[in-house]
Amino acid sequence: DAMVIQNPRYQVTQFGKPVTLSCSQTLNHNVMYWYQQKSSQAPKLLFHYYDKDFNNEADTPDNFQSRRPNTSFCFLDIRSPGLGDAAMYLCATHRQGEYNEQFFGPGTRLTVL
Amino acid sequence: QKEVEQNSGPLSVPEGAIASLNCTYSDRGSQSFFWYRQYSGKSPELIMSIYSNGDKEDGRFTAQLNKASQYVSLLIRDSQPSDSATYLCAVRNYGQNFVFGPGTRLSVLP
Repeated sequence: DAMVIQNPRYQVTQFGKPVTLSCSQTLNHNVMYWYQQKSSQAPKLLFHYYDKDFNNEADTPDNFQSRRPNTSFCFLDIRSPGLGDAAMYLCATHRQGEYNEQFFGPGTRLTVL
Repeated sequence: QKEVEQNSGPLSVPEGAIASLNCTYSDRGSQSFFWYRQYSGKSPELIMSIYSNGDKEDGRFTAQLNKASQYVSLLIRDSQPSDSATYLCAVRNYGQNFVFGPGTRLSVLP
């Protein structure tokens, strides 16, 4: 089945220790998104790729970076995680088109010690 | 002003009743509207999309859109305890961005 996969599902890191979260998709969608979601809040868009074009949200901290080496894979790098970065990180995909939906992966729960 | 607004709830309804969830948005140019269900600790799951004014039905779910009033709603008929979750309204306006509301927590009481 076509799907969005995120690894790992749970990640524990130490304060200041870099961490990388990964997302892959078999949907062949050309747009991929990274969201941060904290408890009882809406998903907050960090950035998205439209094909190879990177689009950063204005309020996304520099601590967050992303890479998309090919259509199928996208990575979220947190260079120096702080306690405030503990959250669920959601990857989503979308096929460009006015009436196409966005599909989410299962998420990665990040804990910062 | 928030772009997409929802009542945070919790909205409590008895089992078998109709649950009505509401969402308003600020951008009149919005074209696509979505309802996601999110269980605690899980990722959002798409349950309905609607693009034109009127009603769209899918099983026990009905989405309603009124672009003039900038209002979209979700009705859940014959509510079940398994429907207890947070319901996120999402609106797509410019480019590739989807804007989410804060979500409404629904509790269906057995």
